[in-house]
Amino acid sequence: AQSVTQPDIHITVSEGASLELRCNYSYGATPYLFWYVQSPGQGLQLLLKYFSGDTLVQGIKGFEAEFKRSQSSFNLRKPSVHWSDAAEYFCAVGSSNTGKLIFGQGTTLQVKP
Amino acid sequence: DTEVTQTPKHLVMGMTNKKSLKCEQHMGHRAMYWYKQKAKKPPELMFVYSYEKLSINESVPSRFSPECPNSSLLNLHLHALQPEDSALYLCASSQDTRVEETQYFGPGTRLLVL
Repeated sequence: AQSVTQPDIHITVSEGASLELRCNYSYGATPYLFWYVQSPGQGLQLLLKYFSGDTLVQGIKGFEAEFKRSQSSFNLRKPSVHWSDAAEYFCAVGSSNTGKLIFGQGTTLQVKP
Repeated sequence: DTEVTQTPKHLVMGMTNKKSLKCEQHMGHRAMYWYKQKAKKPPELMFVYSYEKLSINESVPSRFSPECPNSSLLNLHLHALQPEDSALYLCASSQDTRVEETQYFGPGTRLLVL
């Protein structure tokens, strides 16, 4: 069965510091992978997605993610965090059969001034 | 325009009430979704409509009744809800149900059942 694990429930970084949010997936075939962000009181917004090709994916708001098949990981990175990046981040894997998204439990990012 | 709108933003209802949540998109998308999100949890898929037909029902209790009157509108009719149904209800849409198509989410309706 497909699943997604986000090992870190809560992360705090200082503004201007680099960020890496971890995501591990379990999927039999080539996975369809997504990172979404949810600001307080808001819906989810897609940051980036990976299906195939270059394993380093660029997204919106300066985020990037790297697909590593050998580690079953799709970690999200940002070189310099801004206070406005404080939010909930969800990694998801998509089923090519049904189109359904399976979300991880989420990581809450707090940014210190 | 990549906006999905949802009304109302907040809803309080008793267990005997009937209410409806509304979702609208004008992106020409032919797939629309309802998700339920409890606090500090990821969204859970409830229903998927594809070309105005219900294609996925994730074993949702019958007190939740979805409706897709046209390609731009999606409703969720609520009746005899339980307090545990209190949650954020998110609507999303995408070009179609293929997994590679981006799902665009609305801001949600925060529901409290008393």
